[in-house]
Amino acid sequence: DAMVIQNPRYQVTQFGKPVTLSCSQTLNHNVMYWYQQKSSQAPKLLFHYYDKDFNNEADTPDNFQSRRPNTSFCFLDIRSPGLGDAAMYLCATSGKLEGALDYGYTFGSGTRLTVV
Amino acid sequence: AQSVTQLDSHVSVSEGTPVLLRCNYSSSYSPSLFWYVQHPNKGLQLLLKYTSAATLVKGINGFEAEFKKSETSFHLTKPSAHMSDAAEYFCVVSEGSQGNLIFGKGTKLSVKP
Repeated sequence: DAMVIQNPRYQVTQFGKPVTLSCSQTLNHNVMYWYQQKSSQAPKLLFHYYDKDFNNEADTPDNFQSRRPNTSFCFLDIRSPGLGDAAMYLCATSGKLEGALDYGYTFGSGTRLTVV
Repeated sequence: AQSVTQLDSHVSVSEGTPVLLRCNYSSSYSPSLFWYVQHPNKGLQLLLKYTSAATLVKGINGFEAEFKKSETSFHLTKPSAHMSDAAEYFCVVSEGSQGNLIFGKGTKLSVKP
């Protein structure tokens, strides 16, 4: 099935040690998003790519970076994770689903990051 | 600027009784509106979406929502709650066909036996 896949499902990293979360999609969607969701809160958009164009939200900390080497893959890099960065990180895509007339959003299952 | 307000942070119902989760939106343009459900430690699942077609939208698992432009509301309903409906529900707005998704703060639905 076409889908959005996030690896790993759970990630434990040390305080200050760089960590990378990955997202891949088989939908060939042109837009990919990264959201941060802290416990009992709504998802918050960090940034998104429209094709290769990177769009950073104004309040996304510099500690968070992203790479999109091709249509299928997008990475979230946290340069120096702090305890406050522990959260669920959700990847999503948007584009036309097969057989559909309009655009749809598809979310991955998320990566839960723990910082120790 | 677009925004979403979910009027209740927590709703508790008994199994078999109706569910009403309230959502109001603010948007400068013709919005696309969504309801997503999230079970504990799971990703987001789309329940239904409104994209300027029929104002009464039917979704999965017996849920439906009605878009009321005059009230700027998009409330989610279900005639009869099941235990498996207990989860967090998010009302979401997007401007345009691929605009960024703006999430409400969520409503936690509890279902009592």
